[in-house]
Amino acid sequence: AQKITQTQPGMFVQEKEAVTLDCTYDTSDQSYGLFWYKQPSSGEMIFLIYQGSYDEQNATEGRYSLNFQKARKSANLVISASQLGDSAMYFCAMPPQAGTALIFGKGTTLSVSS
Amino acid sequence: ETGVTQSPTHLIKTRGQQVTLRCSSQSGHNTVSWYQQALGQGPQFIFQYYREEENGRGNFPPRFSGLQFPNYSSELNVNALELDDSALYLCASSLGTGSGNIQYFGAGTRLSVL
Repeated sequence: AQKITQTQPGMFVQEKEAVTLDCTYDTSDQSYGLFWYKQPSSGEMIFLIYQGSYDEQNATEGRYSLNFQKARKSANLVISASQLGDSAMYFCAMPPQAGTALIFGKGTTLSVSS
Repeated sequence: ETGVTQSPTHLIKTRGQQVTLRCSSQSGHNTVSWYQQALGQGPQFIFQYYREEENGRGNFPPRFSGLQFPNYSSELNVNALELDDSALYLCASSLGTGSGNIQYFGAGTRLSVL
């Protein structure tokens, strides 16, 4: 069964620094997708970035990029130039199998200070 | 804003009561998924509806039930509430059920069971 592991309960960075949030996964599927979501204290889950297992390049969306290492089964989120508004919980997620919803890791709390 | 709306935003119930949570999906989306998120944890998949049919279910008892309407909005019903049902309930909509389909979340309903 698919499993998502996020080993960093909390990360602390200063504004304008880059930060990497770790995510490893376990799956026997050959075709799969990986998602990152941001959850501010308000509760809404905000989609950040998606990586398909067959995508040739690492995904990028503005200040967010994915360091996807398929052989190591890792999909780390890199946030460049952190901003105070980036303070939130971050979740890595993937579908358990084609046609169903997402399984999530336990999340990493990111705190950005000035 | 994702276009996914949930109501109510907050709810207080007592043990043994029944509750109905509502979700309006983003325009054009035919799939709705429900998640339960306990404090400090990642969301847990409850069930998913695709074109008014249940399309997968997580490890939740039958007292968690739902339905999807022809306009693709959805309801989550919980009977015989227990204290452990206190959580943030998140609804997400997507266009289809494939592993690459992005799920867009609403702001959630915070349920407190006393």
